[in-house]
Amino acid sequence: KAGVTQTPRYLIKTRGQQVTLSCSPISGHRSVSWYQQTPGQGLQFLFEYFSETQRNKGNFPGRFSGRQFSNSRSEMNVSTLELGDSALYLCASSQQGSGNTIYFGEGSWLTVV
Amino acid sequence: GIQVEQSPPDLILQEGANSTLRCNFSDSVNNLQWFHQNPWGQLINLFYIPSGTKQNGRLSATTVATERYSLLYISSSQTTDSGVYFCAVEPGGGKLIFGQGTELSVKP
Repeated sequence: KAGVTQTPRYLIKTRGQQVTLSCSPISGHRSVSWYQQTPGQGLQFLFEYFSETQRNKGNFPGRFSGRQFSNSRSEMNVSTLELGDSALYLCASSQQGSGNTIYFGEGSWLTVV
Repeated sequence: GIQVEQSPPDLILQEGANSTLRCNFSDSVNNLQWFHQNPWGQLINLFYIPSGTKQNGRLSATTVATERYSLLYISSSQTTDSGVYFCAVEPGGGKLIFGQGTELSVKP
């Protein structure tokens, strides 16, 4: 059974640009969530989607957005990139979200220059 | 919001030694998981353990939900156990709140 797949794995962007990251959950999982990891702030929750609906959102500015498609695949977008957005972005999936084991992908390393 | 504290922040062991990592949380939770972050950044799920005790090879975990703590035991440590161990709790809504991690280094 394939795990959580994230693309791209590594990318470099310039300040002011936007970026889209993609996540394919484990087959049969309907909940997809996103996290940002930085050395200073640690691992922080961005948002969670279930059946194409955002159910929960972390404390991030509106430049961070996401969506989920009918096949449970998800994308997150960051617009008007800032240097501080450089981070590891991790996607996770679970069957139902709350109260289930949550599995993580390998992450997307974003560097903003 | 809920607070998650892990201790110790850093741990250096000789190969073959045993260790105990602790996670304290400030409120009741639906879910508690332990992860190992590998050098490439991936969070590897070790245990889903909102309560009770589980064992998987050299690793075991215990969560005492009523006292709001969890312990991860690593026995006969190996160099491949090196990395950062995270405890994460889910108070509800599919959102994990992570501790700051314990960085483990196992020396040969």
